[in-house]
Amino acid sequence: GAGVSQSPSNKVTEKGKDVELRCDPISGHTALYWYRQSLGQGLEFLIYFQGNSAPDKSGLPSDRFSAERTGGSVSTLTIQRTQQEDSAVYLCASSLGQAGGSYEQYFGPGTRLTVT
Amino acid sequence: KNQVEQSPQSLIILEGKNCTLQCNYTVSPFSNLRWYKQDTGRGPVSLTIMTFSENTKSNGRYTATLDADTKQSSLHITASQLSDSASYICVVSVYGGSQGNLIFGKGTKLSVKP
Repeated sequence: GAGVSQSPSNKVTEKGKDVELRCDPISGHTALYWYRQSLGQGLEFLIYFQGNSAPDKSGLPSDRFSAERTGGSVSTLTIQRTQQEDSAVYLCASSLGQAGGSYEQYFGPGTRLTVT
Repeated sequence: KNQVEQSPQSLIILEGKNCTLQCNYTVSPFSNLRWYKQDTGRGPVSLTIMTFSENTKSNGRYTATLDADTKQSSLHITASQLSDSASYICVVSVYGGSQGNLIFGKGTKLSVKP
């Protein structure tokens, strides 16, 4: 079946512009995660959605970052007034249940964001 | 503080050789430990998931071990192939934590040379 998809695959934007990154999780997966990975670095947690519960936003680096998940499916990560330090690969993952419960986590291919 | 430390940071081996990657963690309460493989430009892919009661788990040429007493895990790669060149990430799950209950290590970058 279809895996996790993300769009766009690449995004180049000017400093100060807003960007929206999209994630389509695997159908039926209740958990959805956003991570950021800077060049040569590990994954940095951003936000976690689980079913209808309030999202865990503890990883969002500033109030310029926000995310929503509509209808328990598609998620959009929005970065307002982008800065050069926002340049990174943004990865989305989904799982059938909470990954802490041994559910397999499936990652999308990522969106490479470049802020010029 | 919940942390996952991996070593070495990077490793170069010749094709056909074996290697072992290490992961030490200070995570409590522990739920499970995962190893992921991340090819360049791709998202991570799960290799193994081990719970507290499991000491070893294999996936083809990959064998992961877990010592819950010493809070150490290793990933052994047998008869390496060029396609094994990737970053290997250790991830530990914690009950009741934030971050979706997953603590990521920074990864070991493996290069397999012909």
